[in-house]
Amino acid sequence: GEDVEQSLFLSVREGDSSVINCTYTDSSSTYLYWYKQEPGAGLQLLTYIFSNMDMKQDQRLTVLLNKKDKHLSLRIADTQTGDSAIYFCAETESYNTDKLIFGTGTRLQVFP
Amino acid sequence: DTAVSQTPKYLVTQMGNDKSIKCEQNLGHDTMYWYKQDSKKFLKIMFSYNNKELIINETVPNRFSPKSPDKAHLNLHINSLELGDSAVYFCASSLAGDGDTQYFGPGTRLTVL
Repeated sequence: GEDVEQSLFLSVREGDSSVINCTYTDSSSTYLYWYKQEPGAGLQLLTYIFSNMDMKQDQRLTVLLNKKDKHLSLRIADTQTGDSAIYFCAETESYNTDKLIFGTGTRLQVFP
Repeated sequence: DTAVSQTPKYLVTQMGNDKSIKCEQNLGHDTMYWYKQDSKKFLKIMFSYNNKELIINETVPNRFSPKSPDKAHLNLHINSLELGDSAVYFCASSLAGDGDTQYFGPGTRLTVL
């Protein structure tokens, strides 16, 4: 079945860039998403990328998609303490695009 | 204005009890979902409904029964609660399913004692 992997932790200094990585197994995924979960809160959609795109930029966020390696990354420029949260990547299942498969989540810690 | 809301936010109950979690969305979406997030933050879909019709039913014990009285509401009823049911349950909705972006509620933290 589909599997989405992420590293568990990332620690960066305020003002630096953060890069959160994700690998997935379903090469037929149509959409890939990044969600943010702050402590005690729900999931907030950050951005998404369609599978025929290589890159998408949205203000401080840059998503890179390498379909050959099934690798997705989220870069946060000028990381702030308010960016501290858990970041989940997710893919849609190829034969059921209604079903989101979530990664294990990366806990981003931003220190001053 | 809250887009996807859930009640209650916290639910603490004894093993063996029956409880319900309610979800409402005011986005005019046709599709709604229930997800479970365990203590390790792993998120997995449980159910999805499109316009009151069950679409996705993952391998979930039949003690869990979703009910959709109308397309703006999807409630989750759990019978005979077990310790392993302790988790955060998230409701979500999307415009028409089929890859449309899913918007999540704030979650309900269920603790079974």
